[in-house]
Amino acid sequence: AQSVTQLGSHVSVSEGALVLLRCNYSSSVPPYLFWYVQYPNQGLQLLLKYTTGATLVKGINGFEAEFKKSETSFHLTKPSAHMSDAAEYFCAVSDPGTGFQKLVFGTGTRLLVSP
Amino acid sequence: GAVVSQHPSWVICKSGTSVKIECRSLDFQATTMFWYRQFPKQSLMLMATSNEGSKATYEQGVEKDKFLINHASLTLSTLTVTSAHPEDSSFYICSARFGGQGVATQYFGPGTRLLVL
Repeated sequence: AQSVTQLGSHVSVSEGALVLLRCNYSSSVPPYLFWYVQYPNQGLQLLLKYTTGATLVKGINGFEAEFKKSETSFHLTKPSAHMSDAAEYFCAVSDPGTGFQKLVFGTGTRLLVSP
Repeated sequence: GAVVSQHPSWVICKSGTSVKIECRSLDFQATTMFWYRQFPKQSLMLMATSNEGSKATYEQGVEKDKFLINHASLTLSTLTVTSAHPEDSSFYICSARFGGQGVATQYFGPGTRLLVL
């Protein structure tokens, strides 16, 4: 079965520092990959997605992610953290076994940004 | 574009009553919607897949008679928690699938927090 691993339940950075949130997936078939952000008591907002084509994907709010097939990874980065980036981030993959309909989510990483 | 709304955002009810939550795709038609449940500080758990005009498909372990799903139109799916009990208290989130087969993306509603007393 498809699975997603997000290394680190919490990541702390200082404002202005690099943000790196890790995501690895298990799939023999290249899946479609997504990063979502969730602010407290809210739903999920799509940050970016990878389907096909260029492996470096740019999203909203200055975030980007790179699909590395050889490493089965899709890490999320942002060059300079802002206080407003503090939130929960979820990596998700579309499950080839369901015709790419269903999403399998990682356990989430809480990003803490200190002044 | 691709906006999904949920109503209500908060609901408090007494044990034994039923609660209906609506999920609407505002600017697109969604043949498929999904219902998730999220416990505090945890990830999303898929409850069921809602398909317009047909019966919902429930994930293993989800009671279909307790969580009734109706997808009566291309823009509306409803989740009814029947005979709610305190253990049903949770954050319920819906999503709507937008886009063609394979490259479709799920867009999420803002969630509904249910508290059963």
